[in-house]
Amino acid sequence: DVQMTQSPSTLSASVGDTVTITCRTSPNIVNYLAWYQQKPGKAPRLLIYKASSLESGVPSRFSGSGSGTEFTLTISSLQPDDVATYYCQQYDSYSLYAFGQGTKVEI
Amino acid sequence: QMQLVESGGGLVKPGGSLRLSCAASGFNFRDYYMAWIRQAPGKGPEYIAYISNSGRYTHYADSVKGRFTISRGNANDSVTLQVSSLRAEDTAVYFCARLDSSNSHFDSWGQGTVVTVSS
Repeated sequence: DVQMTQSPSTLSASVGDTVTITCRTSPNIVNYLAWYQQKPGKAPRLLIYKASSLESGVPSRFSGSGSGTEFTLTISSLQPDDVATYYCQQYDSYSLYAFGQGTKVEI
Repeated sequence: QMQLVESGGGLVKPGGSLRLSCAASGFNFRDYYMAWIRQAPGKGPEYIAYISNSGRYTHYADSVKGRFTISRGNANDSVTLQVSSLRAEDTAVYFCARLDSSNSHFDSWGQGTVVTVSS
């Protein structure tokens, strides 16, 4: 079965801080990991795909890294507009698509 | 500008059915796989089904297999989710989403339609 562990569940930081969110997966998914931002009452928005590729239109302060079973989303210089819940999402050929539990980012 | 607009949600009794629709615009619809994803109140998103660009292939999550049916109309750029035998745990916002060309992630989402299952 797919195992996804996203941490932390909540993160409080100040404007201008660098914050990091981690997603651990099982099995090894190579680089098939995406990150989404969701604001209350809105649909998720794709930020990062294939672990480290920045979606068009997404600010460059968002970055992704990792491969295999451990991945990170980094927000450099946190802005008030970044207050949201962030989800990781994996793809593998057996279970297809699974989402993490989410990380709520507060300022 | 690409857009996905869902409709068809509502309040339904346990055991009931609904037909959810998603109208697509602003991109070459027949080139893309499409999916439905739902999000229960206070929970993370949950993938539930996809359909290939031709409509020939479909896949369902175990939680909805045998109760939900995904279909598409490439002539009118739409995708439909027929939901039946509804349970309280199916209560959620249902999103229509486009799979990217590698089919590994969802690169565009609709605004969602709310399904509430309650007696």
